[in-house]
Amino acid sequence: AQRVTQPEKLLSVFKGAPVELKCNYSYSGSPELFWYVQYSRQRLQLLLRHISRESIKGFTADLNKGETSFHLKKPFAQEEDSAMYYCALREAGNNRKLIWGLGTSLAVNP
Amino acid sequence: SQTIHQWPATLVQPVGSPLSLECTVEGTSNPNLYWYRQAAGRGLQLLFYSVGIGQISSEVPQNLSASRPQDRQFILSSKKLLLSDSGFYLCAWSVSVEAFFGQGTRLTVV
Repeated sequence: AQRVTQPEKLLSVFKGAPVELKCNYSYSGSPELFWYVQYSRQRLQLLLRHISRESIKGFTADLNKGETSFHLKKPFAQEEDSAMYYCALREAGNNRKLIWGLGTSLAVNP
Repeated sequence: SQTIHQWPATLVQPVGSPLSLECTVEGTSNPNLYWYRQAAGRGLQLLFYSVGIGQISSEVPQNLSASRPQDRQFILSSKKLLLSDSGFYLCAWSVSVEAFFGQGTRLTVV
């Protein structure tokens, strides 16, 4: 069955430290993978997707098919990065549903 | 531009009372519509999704139902609320890749 695993419920780092939020998936086909973010009192919103290969707010994520991972990374965390982060997977050719991880709460301390 | 409205923002209802949460989308046609429940430690649980008027798919058995009376209107309902229905409910829409979320409704059943 398709599944997205975010092993860390809570990740706490100091400002300026590197941060990596882990995401592993199980899917037999070619998935599309996403990171969504929810800042305090704001809507859940798309942060980035693997197809775009872009860097948003200093974050990058590389799809590693061998390790079935899509970890979110930032070399120098900022306090404003504190938020809830969700990894999600969409089945190839299926625009209807996203499969979500349980989320990781990132706290960046001054 | 597209917007999504979800109301009310908070709701306190007694056990056994009915529920109606409404979600409307503007600026797009024939969107896929979703109802999620977000709980700490449980991530995003997809409750219902709809690909068109009157077409509802239920993801989990529960005390809730959904309806789509118009193209851009999605309603989450219950005839008799249970204590376990308390939670944070999110409406979302998508037409292709990205999902857009409403502000959410905090439902407390007392």
